[in-house]
Formats: sequence, C-alpha cells, structure tokens
Amino acid sequence: EAGVTQFPSHSVIEKGQTVTLRCDPISGHDNLYWYRRVMGKEIKFLLHFVKESKQDESGMPNNRFLAERTGGTYSTLKVQPAELEDSGVYFCASSRYHRQGGVSGANVLTFGAGSRLTVL
Amino acid sequence: KNQVEQSPQSLIILEGKNCTLQCNYTVSPFSNLRWYKQDTGRGPVSLTIMTFSENTKSNGRYTATLDADTKQSSLHITASQLSDSASYICVVSGLGSQGNLIFGKGTKLSVKP
Repeated sequence: EAGVTQFPSHSVIEKGQTVTLRCDPISGHDNLYWYRRVMGKEIKFLLHFVKESKQDESGMPNNRFLAERTGGTYSTLKVQPAELEDSGVYFCASSRYHRQGGVSGANVLTFGAGSRLTVL
Repeated sequence: KNQVEQSPQSLIILEGKNCTLQCNYTVSPFSNLRWYKQDTGRGPVSLTIMTFSENTKSNGRYTATLDADTKQSSLHITASQLSDSASYICVVSGLGSQGNLIFGKGTKLSVKP
C-alpha cells in the first residue's frame, strides 16, 4: 500500500505570509494526526482527526494554525500569518481504526516524511 | 508534567557491535511505549509497541524492554549494521490519548565500518 504522503517537502516563506501543508494518509485510515518538531526539540502532537472530525486539537499552538480534513480523506494545515517560531518539520501520520482508549489499545501510526517549513 | 527522557543523546559504535539505548518516562496514567527509528529526512518508523503488561518485545535485531514499575525502557540492538545509523525515538502514550503521544528527543546512533 502507498504510504503517507506530505507536500511540500520543503517550504521557505517570509514572516507574515501564509503556507498550507497537505497530507494524504494511507487509504482507508480513519485516523490522521499532525505533529511538529522545532529545531532542537522533541516532536510534539498538534491534533488528531477521526475521519473528518477533530478528535483532539489540544496541541495546536494558537489560532494562526488551521487544520481541515474535508471528506475524511486528505488533510491540510494552514499557518496564517506565519511567524519565525513556526519554523520546523511538520509530520503527518495515519492509522486504521478509531479506538475508545482502553487499557491495552495501541494503534500503529505510519508517518509521512514530513514537510520542512522555514520562516524568514 | 509528562516527559520522556532518553540517553545517551548520541552514540557511535563499530559495525557488528551491540548497543543499548535508554528511556525514562513520567507519563501517567500509562498506556503503551513505542520505539521508533527515524532516518535522516524520513518520518519515524515503528519498531516496537509495548503495553504495561509486556516487559520485552523483539523485532529482528531490535529488542525492547519495559519496566512499568520504574518507568524505564531500553532498546537493544544486536550485531549492528551500517543501516542502523539513525535517530531512535522513545514515545509514550497516556491512557485514553490515542494520538497525543509524548516523544523523547531521540538518541542519534552512528554505526561506523
């Protein structure tokens, strides 16, 4: 099966501009996640979609970030207006089933290669 | 505060040698612990997933251990190969948080010929 695809692989923009990142999950995967790694830091969770609904958006840093997943297929993450501290690598991941937590539930996430964002 | 700490930060070993990477976490309540391998310019790839009831899991030359009492995990790599050069990331999931994973900063492993 095709993996998780992210576009663009690298984007360089100026502060104040807008950037839209796209993620195409593995076909049939209900769950889609966005993560971010800023330089020198660990990867951090941004949000989680189940189909087209936002299940958890507790990691979104502020209202300059807008994520959508219309139709429950691909997702976009828009940053508007971009700030210097938004620079980093944005990862998308997907997994097959939606589980209601559970003691031993553990879904396998497949990650994309990431979109590197550089804000100048 | 939920945290995952990994050591060492970086490691250089010779091809064919074994090595062990460490992970300590403070995530509570705990659901599962994962080890990922991330090659440069690529996304993380899952190596193992362990729940609190599992204390060891293997994937080829990779063996992960988990001590849920002390909140420690290790990843042992046997007979290292040049292709093992990568960052190894320990990731912990709290109970009920399916995607809100807590990542460590990773250990950068370099395998030299």
